Amino acid sequence: AQKVTQAQTEISVVEKEDVTLDCVYETRDTTYYLFWYKQPPSGELVFLIRRNSFDEQNEISGRYSWNFQKSTSSFNFTITASQVVDSAVYFCALSEADPGYSGGGADGLTFGKGTHLIIQP
Amino acid sequence: EAQVTQNPRYLITVTGKKLTVTCSQNMNHEYMSWYRQDPGLGLRQIYYSMNVEVTDKGDVPEGYKVSRKEKRNFPLILESPSPNQTSLYFCASSLTGGTQYFGPGTRLTVL
Repeated sequence: AQKVTQAQTEISVVEKEDVTLDCVYETRDTTYYLFWYKQPPSGELVFLIRRNSFDEQNEISGRYSWNFQKSTSSFNFTITASQVVDSAVYFCALSEADPGYSGGGADGLTFGKGTHLIIQP
Repeated sequence: EAQVTQNPRYLITVTGKKLTVTCSQNMNHEYMSWYRQDPGLGLRQIYYSMNVEVTDKGDVPEGYKVSRKEKRNFPLILESPSPNQTSLYFCASSLTGGTQYFGPGTRLTVL
């Protein structure tokens, strides 16, 4: 069975600090997808990134970066120079690819329990 | 605008009174799904649908029903709601193999 662990329940930092959110996953599949979603105080779920298991390249998008390491089954998320608007709950999620569908990832998402990130001004 | 919509956004009801939460997407996605979010438990999948007339149970299907008569709609039905179904519900859709995009959520309270 697949599992996603976000060990940090809550993190509080001062604005402009860098912060890393940890995500560790378990799966028996060799083909899978990893995701990060953001849930701001307004409650919606905002998609941030999707990474497939064959692509271990790190990704950077503005102040956001992601470090995918298959050797440690981790997919960590770093925010550089944090801002108050980054305050939210962040979820890491895993989807095992269905071999019956090209591209896979159509199965349900298994979510971690989320990390509540508080950026203090 | 490409989006997933849910109605109602907020609902307070009483035990045993049947209710339906609607979900609609305008992106021609084949895959649709329902999740519930509870404190300390994260999000868990209730039901999903790979395409019209094809539905299947997720991790926590007890007490829920769904239907997929049209591609764009995927309503969640609670035939006899109970207080343990008080939760925040999200509908999501995607192309087959694609990223799931979520609706705004429906906060349900069952008294």
